[in-house]
Amino acid sequence: NAGVTQTPKFQVLKTGQSMTLQCAQDMNHEYMSWYRQDPGMGLRLIHYSVGAGITDQGEVPNGYNVSRSTTEDFPLRLLSAAPSQTSVYFCASSRRESTDTQYFGPGTRLTVL
Amino acid sequence: SQQGEEDPQALSIQEGENATMNCSYKTSINNLQWYRQNSGRGLVHLILIRSNEREKHSGRLRVTLDTSKKSSSLLITASRAADTASYFCSNAGGTSYGKLTFGQGTILTVHP
Repeated sequence: NAGVTQTPKFQVLKTGQSMTLQCAQDMNHEYMSWYRQDPGMGLRLIHYSVGAGITDQGEVPNGYNVSRSTTEDFPLRLLSAAPSQTSVYFCASSRRESTDTQYFGPGTRLTVL
Repeated sequence: SQQGEEDPQALSIQEGENATMNCSYKTSINNLQWYRQNSGRGLVHLILIRSNEREKHSGRLRVTLDTSKKSSSLLITASRAADTASYFCSNAGGTSYGKLTFGQGTILTVHP
């Protein structure tokens, strides 16, 4: 199993540009989520999904969109990038029976100029 | 809002020593977990302790939970240089399954 994979690993955007961060898992996990990690802070939940076709907002959803068309994929879209979105983004997945034990991807380091 | 707050923010020890990190949280919980993050990597789940448990062991890890004080501690015994990482406690709160909140973490440095 590859586990949770994320692409790209690094990305530089200009203010106002849009992009999609990719996340995929091959563990057949129902639950997937996106977090951002800023320097000196813990992870903050952006959006999450409890299954295909179902998404909901986390703590810091503004400026981000998600969709879940398949169990495996959970892309995160930045609609119009802002410098405040410079961060490291982590995708995670878990089984429905144990949503608190999450498996994390390696992260995407995003810089918005 | 940050549900978990780790203490100390940084800890520096020699190989072979024990490392103790503490976590405090604000609301009721179903369980509490500890995660490790190596530099530049994603988080790795270490151990989960349920709200009705007081202590749990996994290899060199020992976790305690005191729900009356809303606090937990992680003890790493006989530390190794490979234990150098950031450690986070996390929980989903009483009614928020899967919506984990994290503190700032404890940065542990183990010197060989």
